[in-house]
Amino acid sequence: QSVLTQPPSASGTPGQTVTISCSGSSSNIGTNIVNWYQQLPGTAPKLLIYSNNHRLSWVPDRFSGSKSGTSASLVISGLQSEDEADYYCAAWDDSLSVSYVFGTGTKVTVL
Amino acid sequence: EVNLVESGGDLVHPGGSLRLSCAASGFTVRDNYMHWVRQAPGKGLEWVSVIYSGGRTYYAASVKGRFTISRDSSKNTLYLQMNRLRGEDTAVYYCVGGDFDYWGRGTLVTVSS
Repeated sequence: QSVLTQPPSASGTPGQTVTISCSGSSSNIGTNIVNWYQQLPGTAPKLLIYSNNHRLSWVPDRFSGSKSGTSASLVISGLQSEDEADYYCAAWDDSLSVSYVFGTGTKVTVL
Repeated sequence: EVNLVESGGDLVHPGGSLRLSCAASGFTVRDNYMHWVRQAPGKGLEWVSVIYSGGRTYYAASVKGRFTISRDSSKNTLYLQMNRLRGEDTAVYYCVGGDFDYWGRGTLVTVSS
């Protein structure tokens, strides 16, 4: 089961700003970097943001990530229709053995 | 260009076994972290296993003792041997390379009687 908690859904009209939260603990987000993944409908996930706040070269600058303590956030500024997708945060977890944990996922809908 | 292609997914009975393969091109399996990540139908992502470049392996608690990750450097291929399969193992299994930079398209494993 996921140990990183995200809201199940978020929505906005084109041009609006959407923020997705990701809540973890000291053994994962509190200690390790956070990645964000985008999964468009019917496709494999893609790495979107790495090391908390670094965009992949293909990612528009309207996407930004941040981390504070045991939480992280993904912000989509100037929402566009092609941003409609599932988004997952993830981090390594050092609690018992080495493991990588994903967030519960957030479905972003563009109204 | 990096390409990861999974194969081996199938319908299998509970208690059965299956081996997944992931053929890599444009990317050296031996020199990178390689992972398996799965996604049950309509559900979120779940990390399954990793093999480090040095050969060390780790598993999610849900599969430890039943699944084995391995690689064949001569074939530049990653494997996942899955034994004692259960209904909850039903999922699309993705091969993922590096720091989760590269993802295959996935292969579907269905465990059902």
